[in-house]
Amino acid sequence: AQTVTQSQPEMSVQEAETVTLSCTYDTSENNYYLFWYKQPPSRQMILVIRQEAYKQQNATENRFSVNFQKAAKSFSLKISDSQLGDTAMYFCAFMKTNSGYALNFGKGTSLLVTP
Amino acid sequence: GAGVSQTPSNKVTEKGKYVELRCDPISGHTALYWYRQSLGQGPEFLIYFQGTGAADDSGLPNDRFFAVRPEGSVSTLKIQRTERGDSAVYLCASSQTVDRVRSGELFFGEGSRLTVL
Repeated sequence: AQTVTQSQPEMSVQEAETVTLSCTYDTSENNYYLFWYKQPPSRQMILVIRQEAYKQQNATENRFSVNFQKAAKSFSLKISDSQLGDTAMYFCAFMKTNSGYALNFGKGTSLLVTP
Repeated sequence: GAGVSQTPSNKVTEKGKYVELRCDPISGHTALYWYRQSLGQGPEFLIYFQGTGAADDSGLPNDRFFAVRPEGSVSTLKIQRTERGDSAVYLCASSQTVDRVRSGELFFGEGSRLTVL
């Protein structure tokens, strides 16, 4: 089974600053997908960014970017110019390509953006 | 509908009771997933449907848990003889097709919070 580890239970950042959330995973698969999801207090999970393992180029979506290190099995999320609305739980998730289509989530990192 | 709708939003029940949680996916979405999120944890996969059939139910923890999707749209998660350990938020998600899930096109509802006293 794949395991996803998020080693930072809580993080805090000031508005307009940059913060990086870490994620590592364990798998024997060569091809897979990685995701970061945001969960605000409303509980609705929202996709932030995704990465396909066979693509070496790191994904970016506006203020969000990832540092994908396949050999190290690391997938960190960088949030630039943090905004108060970024305050939420952030979950890293793994999905195999060849079966299940189920997401394996980490335990999450609670991010607080302060004024 | 505009999004994935889950009812009830909150459910409090007593140990040993039967509970049904409902998920109304986005119209036209064939793939539907159930996840369970316990306090302080990430969501844990339970089951997914492709149309009316359960394509993968490997995440259901035991035979007290059962889910149906008889007409390929609304799904109901059924929990028999509830236990305190079943207390969690139950999340439903849908996608137009399972392939779209890989693209990140998976839309979640706001969940049903189940509390078993």
